[in-house]
Amino acid sequence: NAGVTQTPKFQVLKTGQSMTLQCAQDMNHNSMYWYRQDPGMGLRLIYYSASEGTTDKGEVPNGYNVSRLNKREFSLRLESAAPSQTSVYFCASTPYSANPYYEQYFGPGTRLTVT
Amino acid sequence: AQTVTQSQPEMSVQEAETVTLSCTYDTSESDYYLFWYKQPPSRQMILVIRQEAYKQQNATENRFSVNFQKAAKSFSLKISDSQLGDAAMYFCAYTSGTYKYIFGTGTRLKVLA
Repeated sequence: NAGVTQTPKFQVLKTGQSMTLQCAQDMNHNSMYWYRQDPGMGLRLIYYSASEGTTDKGEVPNGYNVSRLNKREFSLRLESAAPSQTSVYFCASTPYSANPYYEQYFGPGTRLTVT
Repeated sequence: AQTVTQSQPEMSVQEAETVTLSCTYDTSESDYYLFWYKQPPSRQMILVIRQEAYKQQNATENRFSVNFQKAAKSFSLKISDSQLGDAAMYFCAYTSGTYKYIFGTGTRLKVLA
């Protein structure tokens, strides 16, 4: 049981390049999330998927797109990377769509640098 | 809109001593959940403790306990007998079951030997 996995762990992009961050969970969780973590700003929600087949914008969605490929996988795409997107990105999941008792389970994060 | 505030960017504690990290939140909901997460240098987010708002009793997990004051919308974390391994960023988080979890900006805890 690997939990939540993310690839890659580190990435350096040039301004304007595109890339996709991959996330997968093997816990049969319904809900999945993408956050970015910046110094002094905590974790900010980019997009989330309450259940398979649905996605919704979070607090900071501009410049990103997501795909809930199936119940296990939730990817985050940067179409044209900008230096402001330099950050650490976390994927997370929770078991049930409407039960807030359960905490979020996090992946190990991806450190992205855009030059 | 719900908000979570951690007003202490950094705290220090001597090994074996006790430290309290503060968290306040704002919500109009009556039922919600609060969490404390630990993020060590490895970056992995780890759940420390959770509190259900409708429960009066403060949650406890070994050396970690909370002081939950619902009327004051306060949710502080107390770490007793601090250990070097407790050094990390600590995040307070809130959810009311709308799929969204709201995080504070974090408190960096240093443990001094």
